[in-house]
Formats: sequence, C-alpha cells, structure tokens
Amino acid sequence: DAKTTQPPSMDCAEGRAANLPCNHSTISGNEYVYWYRQIHSQGPQYIIHGLKNNETNEMASLIITEDRKSSTLILPHATLRDTAVYYCIVGIRDGTASKLTFGTGTRLQVTL
Amino acid sequence: SQTIHQWPATLVQPVGSPLSLECTVEGTSNPNLYWYRQAAGRGLQLLFYSVGIGQISSEVPQNLSASRPQDRQFILSSKKLLLSDSGFYLCAWRSGELFFGEGSRLTVL
Repeated sequence: DAKTTQPPSMDCAEGRAANLPCNHSTISGNEYVYWYRQIHSQGPQYIIHGLKNNETNEMASLIITEDRKSSTLILPHATLRDTAVYYCIVGIRDGTASKLTFGTGTRLQVTL
Repeated sequence: SQTIHQWPATLVQPVGSPLSLECTVEGTSNPNLYWYRQAAGRGLQLLFYSVGIGQISSEVPQNLSASRPQDRQFILSSKKLLLSDSGFYLCAWRSGELFFGEGSRLTVL
C-alpha cells in the first residue's frame, strides 16, 4: 500500500501563511480528504475536509488538486497556538468499507 | 446530538495480562467505526475498522482483536499484552467529519 505522505516538519513565522502539503495517490474516487491536528498528546482536533472542490472555513483553506492525488492545507495567518502536528487522513475503499488512514504527519513550528 | 465515549481513559497493565477497551457511539445508527493506536512519539496507525455488527477488518496483524457485538459498540481486546502494546488508543466514527473518542492511554509494564 502506498502511504499517505507529508513532510516531517515545517517552520513558519507568526502572521505568515503556513502551507502544509499531503500526497495521497491511492485515495479512492469518492472519499474525502480530512485534516486534523494534534497538540502534545491530546486527541486530534478537526480542521477541515473536502472531496474535490477547494474548501474554506474559519480555521483554514483546503486546496485539492484536480487529480485528487495531493492536497494542501493553508493556515492563512499562523499564530503560536497553531504549533502542532498536522495530519491528513484519506479513505481507501475496501469493498463496502472505507479504510481511513492517517498520513505521516507534519510537525509545524510557528515562531516569533 | 452525536457523541462518542471511550473508556477507560488510563490504565497500567502487566505484560501478559488481558485488555479490553470499549467505545460506544450515541445519536446515530450503523456508523463506520475505527480503532487507532499511537505509540510514543509516533503517528496514528489504523488497527481495525468496521461497517456493521460482526464485520471487522484488520489492518495490521498483531496480538490485538476487535469485536462489534452491537451496532454502536466497538471493543478492542487482547488476551496477552506485550510491552509494544503501550500507547494511546483512539476510537473514531465517521459522519461527514471524523469524530474521535477521548482516548485511552495504555502502559504495559
């Protein structure tokens, strides 16, 4: 199985945009891309999800490529509180079931 | 409203002892349910997923098992724990977005 891959770490200056990529070449055609983040060892926090159109909410924007094999999470104005590990999660169809697997995760460090 | 409960929150178990973690969902029917594990300093690994009662798919071969005796109940078990089973276990279900339980932190000594 091809993994859902993300860069292991990224730095971003406070107030700047943070662009977090995810490669998910094995995503099934009708499955969503989800983005969550984890601060310390707490449970995952929901950020955004999308199918094939770009999405925006109060936290972030999600850009999905036309072939759906990759996506980018954009935090438009990163703050220190956005320091966390960010995961993309994609579904891979297995018969009637959907395997929702986490990407490898990107540790985002927001600095002054 | 839709909620997910998971327990126990924390447990310390000796090597070779059994394990049972329970997850229940309220406010929905026939949910897709998932068990994940996070070892210390690592990412989240899918262990099991289920689309219905008695229907369990295993993602990673190991000494853990899962069962779904009722529509909204998902149980993770082991007959004999290993040191490597230590970690943070999360139950989840999907309805639009993914909803996660509070997590169970297992330490095997």
